[in-house]
Amino acid sequence: AQTVTQSQPEMSVQEAETVTLSCTYDTSESDYYLFWYKQPPSRQMILVIRQEAYKQQNATENRFSVNFQKAAKSFSLKISDSQLGDAAMYFCASLSGSARQLTFGSGTQLTVLP
Amino acid sequence: NAGVMQNPRHLVRRRGQEARLRCSPMKGHSHVYWYRQLPEEGLKFMVYLQKENIIDESGMPKERFSAEFPKEGPSILRIQQVVRGDSAAYFCASSPPGWELFFGEGSRLTVL
Repeated sequence: AQTVTQSQPEMSVQEAETVTLSCTYDTSESDYYLFWYKQPPSRQMILVIRQEAYKQQNATENRFSVNFQKAAKSFSLKISDSQLGDAAMYFCASLSGSARQLTFGSGTQLTVLP
Repeated sequence: NAGVMQNPRHLVRRRGQEARLRCSPMKGHSHVYWYRQLPEEGLKFMVYLQKENIIDESGMPKERFSAEFPKEGPSILRIQQVVRGDSAAYFCASSPPGWELFFGEGSRLTVL
């Protein structure tokens, strides 16, 4: 079984500043994938960034990057140059290679202050 | 290429009625997943289907819930004799044989 833990229910950041959202996971699988999803008030689930566990290099997508620490089972999301449109609930999730079930954390509500 | 389409977006039912939620996957996607999101919580896996087959239903409640993905037409999540605790957002996702899931906008069920 997989578990995903997000220990920050709420975070806030000033516009244009940088914020890091924390996520830890636990899995017995050797083949797995990690994701960050964004859920704005519209409730649409939007994929922000993904990381294959076999890749050592941290994934980046424009202003979004991850710090993947495989030994520590940590997968944090860094948002640089925060924008008002980044305000949303952010969910960390894992997917094992053998079972096609996404396991989600409980989410972090990000507020961006103008 | 249209995204994952779910309907209805909002559904209101009284206790004891049936709820049917529909999901049309993205073109070319043969895998469909249903997730449930209770208020203030993350999404929880319910079921994974391929055409005409249920692959994994380990997250489905044992009673009142069923899902299908027929050869033709959308996937259907059916909840019989709804209770207030069924009130939630139900998300469908689809994927090609790979691992990336694409989510629909969800169907919000309210049970009065």
